[in-house]
Amino acid sequence: DTAVSQTPKYLVTQMGNDKSIKCEQNLGHDTMYWYKQDSKKFLKIMFSYNNKELIINETVPNRFSPKSPDKAHLNLHINSLELGDSAVYFCASSQDFGSGRGFGDTQYFGPGTRLTVL
Amino acid sequence: DAKTTQPTSMDCAEGRAANLPCNHSTISGNEYVYWYRQIHSQGPQYIIHGLKNNETNEMASLIITEDRKSSTLILPHATLRDTAVYYCIVRVESSGGYQKVTFGIGTKLQVIP
Repeated sequence: DTAVSQTPKYLVTQMGNDKSIKCEQNLGHDTMYWYKQDSKKFLKIMFSYNNKELIINETVPNRFSPKSPDKAHLNLHINSLELGDSAVYFCASSQDFGSGRGFGDTQYFGPGTRLTVL
Repeated sequence: DAKTTQPTSMDCAEGRAANLPCNHSTISGNEYVYWYRQIHSQGPQYIIHGLKNNETNEMASLIITEDRKSSTLILPHATLRDTAVYYCIVRVESSGGYQKVTFGIGTKLQVIP
C-alpha cells in the first residue's frame, strides 16, 4: 500500500492553463505539505496544512491554491500556468506539525508530479 | 535559509562505510537534527533523526557531537542503491510560528563499485 500517493505522475500543459495535482495519504497523519523542486534541485516548502487548516504559506504566487477537503487529502490547484512553474511537486505528510517531539515531525513524501509547462 | 552546511559531494567504495558530515553550529537546545535522502527522481526518504544522543536504526547511525554543533551520518556498508543526495536538516521556525523543514543543497553521495 502506498503511504503518500500523488496524481498525476506527469503533467504536460500549455502556458495559461489551469491544472490540479492531487495528494492522498493513508498514514492517518494530521499534517500535509506541498514542496516544489526546481531544475536546480532545490526543494522548497510551499504550503502546510494541519487538520485541514493552513499553517504554513511561503512566498508563493496566489495562482497556487491548496485545498484540503479532509485530513487525508491535500490538493494543489494552479491557475494561469507559467513557464517558471515547470518543476517536480512533492506532497508529504507527518504525524503532527512540529511539536518538538521528534518522531511526529518525520515527513513521508510522495513520488512527485513532474509538471512541464510549454 | 538552511541552518546546516554539508560537503557538496562525496564518493564511497561499495561495501565500505559512508560517513557524511554536517555542521549546524547555530542549533538551539531543543532542535532535532534530521537526515533525509533523495534517490534520483524519487521523493525524499526519511533516514534518521536525533537530539543529542547517538542514534541507530536499520538504515544508518547518527553521531552527534557533545556540543551538538555537528553530526555525522554513517551508512555502515554502502551499496550502489545508497547513491543519492543526503540532506542534513535542522528545523526552522516559519512566520506563523510553526516549524518547517528547509532542505539545503545536500551531499551527493556516489557509491562506486
